[in-house]
Amino acid sequence: AQTVTQSQPEMSVQEAETVTLSCTYDTSENNYYLFWYKQPPSRQMILVIRQEAYKQQNATENRFSVNFQKAAKSFSLKISDSQLGDTAMYFCAFMKPGSARQLTFGSGTQLTVLP
Amino acid sequence: DTEVTQTPKHLVMGMTNKKSLKCEQHMGHRAMYWYKQKAKKPPELMFVYSYEKLSINESVPSRFSPECPNSSLLNLHLHALQPEDSALYLCASSQDPGGAPQDTQYFGPGTRLTVL
Repeated sequence: AQTVTQSQPEMSVQEAETVTLSCTYDTSENNYYLFWYKQPPSRQMILVIRQEAYKQQNATENRFSVNFQKAAKSFSLKISDSQLGDTAMYFCAFMKPGSARQLTFGSGTQLTVLP
Repeated sequence: DTEVTQTPKHLVMGMTNKKSLKCEQHMGHRAMYWYKQKAKKPPELMFVYSYEKLSINESVPSRFSPECPNSSLLNLHLHALQPEDSALYLCASSQDPGGAPQDTQYFGPGTRLTVL
């Protein structure tokens, strides 16, 4: 079974600064997918970024980028130029390819962007 | 367009009521999911439908009854719920449950359920 660990229950960052959220996972699989979702107070789960394990290049989406270290089983999210709208709960998630397509979520990190 | 819609947004029901939650997507996705989420916790998978057939039931009590009338619609029928069933119920969909290399689940905004 896969496990996903987010060791930072809460974090805060000043507006316009950079923050990194950590995520580690445990799996015996070689091929899999990793995701970061954000859930603002409006409660909708929004996909932030996605990484395929077979790709060595780190995924980037505008101000969001990941540092994917496959050997270390680490998948951190960096948010640059933080904005007030980035305030949300961030969940790291793991998915094994296959018919089930089940997501394993971490416990989440509550990020607050301070004005 | 990656929109998944859910109705109603809020629902309050008594323990003897029967109600239904509705989820809809028009992205041509063939897999649909129900999750239950308690406050400050990650979502917990309840059911997965793949090509309109129930493929996963995560040992959910029978007072929750899913239904997939067609590939765009997913319902969750509720009957004789308990107060501990109060939670946010999220629906999600994904393109291909059978092995697409870039399958991703897209979530709806959720239904906030309160059982009195």
